Amino acid sequence: SYVLTQPPSVSVAPGQTARITCGGNNIGSKSVHWYQQKPGQAPVLVVYDNGDRPSGIPERFSGSNPGNTATLTISRVEAGDEADYYCQVWDRSSDHYVFGTGTKVTVL
Amino acid sequence: QLQLQESGPGLVKPSETLSLTCSVSGGSIRSSRYYWDWIRQPPGKGLEWIGSIYYTGSTYYNPSLKSRVTISVDTSKNHFSLNMNSVTAADTAVFYCARRSMDSTCFDIWGQGTMVAVSS
Repeated sequence: SYVLTQPPSVSVAPGQTARITCGGNNIGSKSVHWYQQKPGQAPVLVVYDNGDRPSGIPERFSGSNPGNTATLTISRVEAGDEADYYCQVWDRSSDHYVFGTGTKVTVL
Repeated sequence: QLQLQESGPGLVKPSETLSLTCSVSGGSIRSSRYYWDWIRQPPGKGLEWIGSIYYTGSTYYNPSLKSRVTISVDTSKNHFSLNMNSVTAADTAVFYCARRSMDSTCFDIWGQGTMVAVSS
């Protein structure tokens, strides 16, 4: 089955930039989506189709998927960005929706 | 604004069937633009897609769970449901329902989630 690999944790100082990677076989051919999940809450979609943002999501959240690795970038990080982040794709070969392993972002 | 709300027992015995319902408010489940999905998250772990249903009743399941899962829809009540049989402690999780657009493969609206523990 298709596997998406993320770093377990990323630490970043307020005001700096956090980059969260998502690796998978031939991921550049897929649409990658990103979710933010705060403790005790449901996930929230923050980036879809590699780099689009739903309404209400700050421009500080951006995504890219140029080839081997997809990346979620959080610019000018704030304390409120501290959360778990998951990438997600649809695996055409199995018609199966797959989530990444998740990355905990800590704001120092 | 469309909202999803999960409901069902918080405790299920091993080997029995877990049954949950997701009520849709602020919009119609009969929309031709969306699928309706179930996703779960064991405590302290990541997210796992369980399956989805279209308002016509067409279903799609995670191959690893397909033998134990049934998703159904009741358009008259504007809700859809999940049944998972032969549960074990490994099925203990927060269960989320979510909406997925036909224009994308992402889940754009989620319910708040409901915790289900499998224990005798």
